[in-house]
Amino acid sequence: NAGVTQTPKFRILKIGQSMTLQCTQDMNHNYMYWYRQDPGMGLKLIYYSVGAGITDKGEVPNGYNVSRSTTEDFPLRLELAAPSQTSVYFCASSGGGSGSYEQYFGPGTRLTVT
Amino acid sequence: KQEVTQIPAALSVPEGENLVLNCSFTDSAIYNLQWFRQDPGKGLTSLLLIQSSQREQTSGRLNASLDKSSGRSTLYIAASQPGDSATYLCGSNYKLTFGKGTLLTVNP
Repeated sequence: NAGVTQTPKFRILKIGQSMTLQCTQDMNHNYMYWYRQDPGMGLKLIYYSVGAGITDKGEVPNGYNVSRSTTEDFPLRLELAAPSQTSVYFCASSGGGSGSYEQYFGPGTRLTVT
Repeated sequence: KQEVTQIPAALSVPEGENLVLNCSFTDSAIYNLQWFRQDPGKGLTSLLLIQSSQREQTSGRLNASLDKSSGRSTLYIAASQPGDSATYLCGSNYKLTFGKGTLLTVNP
């Protein structure tokens, strides 16, 4: 199993551009998450999903959108990129339900907005 | 709102030493507590997950404990090795709230 995969690994955007960060998991997990990690800080939750068609905001959702049309995929959309969105973005998944909250992380996407 | 604090922010030890990393959380009504390791420029690797009904979990040289009443979790690393050098993060609940991590350096 590949686990959680993310593309691209690196990206440089100009202010005002848009892009989609891709995330796919092959563990048939119900729960998926997007986090961002800024230098010297812990990770902060952007959005999460408890199943296909169900998404909800996390702690820092402004400037982002998500969709969950399949169990496997959970893309993160950045509209009108701003320098404050320069960060490393991690996607994670977990089975959900009793005893299945252990989260597995992808390798991350390093995004720079200039 | 759950807040998670990790102390110390950085720790440097000689190889072979036993050490303890601390994680404190403000809301004792947690589902679980998960410990991760993060190598520079990499993603997070899950080390141990402790569910709210458990008091500790062990994996090899690692032992994690959970005390909900005091709002604390500890990660014990026995006989540390240079390969253990990394940032260690703890997070609570299914929508993980993370601490800022402890940067561990194990010197040969």
